[in-house]
Amino acid sequence: RKEVEQDPGPFNVPEGATVAFNCTYSNSASQSFFWYRQDCRKEPKLLMSVYSSGNEDGRFTAQLNRASQYISLLIRDSKLSDSATYLCVVIMNAGGTSYGKLTFGQGTILTVHP
Amino acid sequence: GAVVSQHPSWVICKSGTSVKIECRSLDFQATTMFWYRQFPKQSLMLMATSNEGSKATYEQGVEKDKFLINHASLTLSTLTVTSAHPEDSSFYICSARGGSSGNTIYFGEGSWLTVV
Repeated sequence: RKEVEQDPGPFNVPEGATVAFNCTYSNSASQSFFWYRQDCRKEPKLLMSVYSSGNEDGRFTAQLNRASQYISLLIRDSKLSDSATYLCVVIMNAGGTSYGKLTFGQGTILTVHP
Repeated sequence: GAVVSQHPSWVICKSGTSVKIECRSLDFQATTMFWYRQFPKQSLMLMATSNEGSKATYEQGVEKDKFLINHASLTLSTLTVTSAHPEDSSFYICSARGGSSGNTIYFGEGSWLTVV
């Protein structure tokens, strides 16, 4: 089983749609969770961190379910500019020199069309 | 502006030659940097953890003699792809810890390597 697994996608949605991605992780000791966005041929950029209480940033809502070991990302009112690959990222170790070792999901491609 | 800079952004080399990619933290010291590789339509895969002043830690399946990592200073880590082959063509990207708490992860812009 992969350490971090995402919905395979791709997702192809019209503008204004609501779309949700899920991501599961296998290591129950995982400490930190993030969603990154990666545009074609570019480096990943942090979209948002994911907190146990859930968090929202504009049209984006992220949630963490530790019991079921998954995180989710909800995008409301999709825009054309939301088209990208969304990467689920988990940091396994909270401290020491290993901190910062990100484990990426395979990514989910989102295409928003007019 | 970028806080982690990679160079070169693009490189094309002949099969059998070696290529060096640099990763610099511009305004902070990075004792630990991470090197990733991403093949088309795949996710980023960690290759190795670069530790300043000591040997890098390689992930399983990554050849340490082929992918030489040097982290000689607190602001610079280099990845050298030795005897490159077409199958080494990929997007290589580094990341480093930084920020006031030391727990913010910054990515370099990435380096596209094409081996012909």
